[in-house]
Amino acid sequence: EDQVTQSPEALRLQEGESSSLNCSYTVSGLRGLFWYRQDPGKGPEFLFTLYSAGEEKEKERLKATLTKKESFLHITAPKPEDSATYLCAVPVRSQGNLIFGKGTKLSVKP
Amino acid sequence: NAGVTQTPKFRILKIGQSMTLQCTQDMNHNYMYWYRQDPGMGLKLIYYSVGAGITDKGEVPNGYNVSRSTTEDFPLRLELAAPSQTSVYFCASSYTEAFFGQGTRLTVV
Repeated sequence: EDQVTQSPEALRLQEGESSSLNCSYTVSGLRGLFWYRQDPGKGPEFLFTLYSAGEEKEKERLKATLTKKESFLHITAPKPEDSATYLCAVPVRSQGNLIFGKGTKLSVKP
Repeated sequence: NAGVTQTPKFRILKIGQSMTLQCTQDMNHNYMYWYRQDPGMGLKLIYYSVGAGITDKGEVPNGYNVSRSTTEDFPLRLELAAPSQTSVYFCASSYTEAFFGQGTRLTVV
């Protein structure tokens, strides 16, 4: 069964304190892994797509990496405006839709 | 370029009432989806469509119906609202990555 698990559920950081979020997946024939950011009361906002093990993508203070079993979202020197819930998702082969993890709620305190 | 637009943003329904959640996209995407999001449960797929005239059930379709008469529009119908349908509903469309609307917060009382 295709499955996506994110950890930790919540993460509290001080401004400037770097850390990583984990997304582990079980899927037959990975066709991409997607990272989204979701702010309260808003829809998920696309961040990155990774397609193959070893691939990395960067955007400002965020860097996403992918292995054969998991993906990491590294946050370097975070700012309070990085506070949000971060979701990862993988496509389901038979349907074309995404299955999502439950997310990591990141809080960055000044 | 508006992306994915959902209406209404908020709605309160009484048990047994019906309503349609509207979703339209202007990116000419063939794939469209309806998800619901409940606290601590993540996003669950209700229905999806791979193109005009084609729809299929997702993980949690009971109590809902959809139609896809055009590429742009993918409305979600609740026929007999129940408290279990209290949730936040998101519509999305995709070519590769999915783009989401801002959501409809529905409360059934």
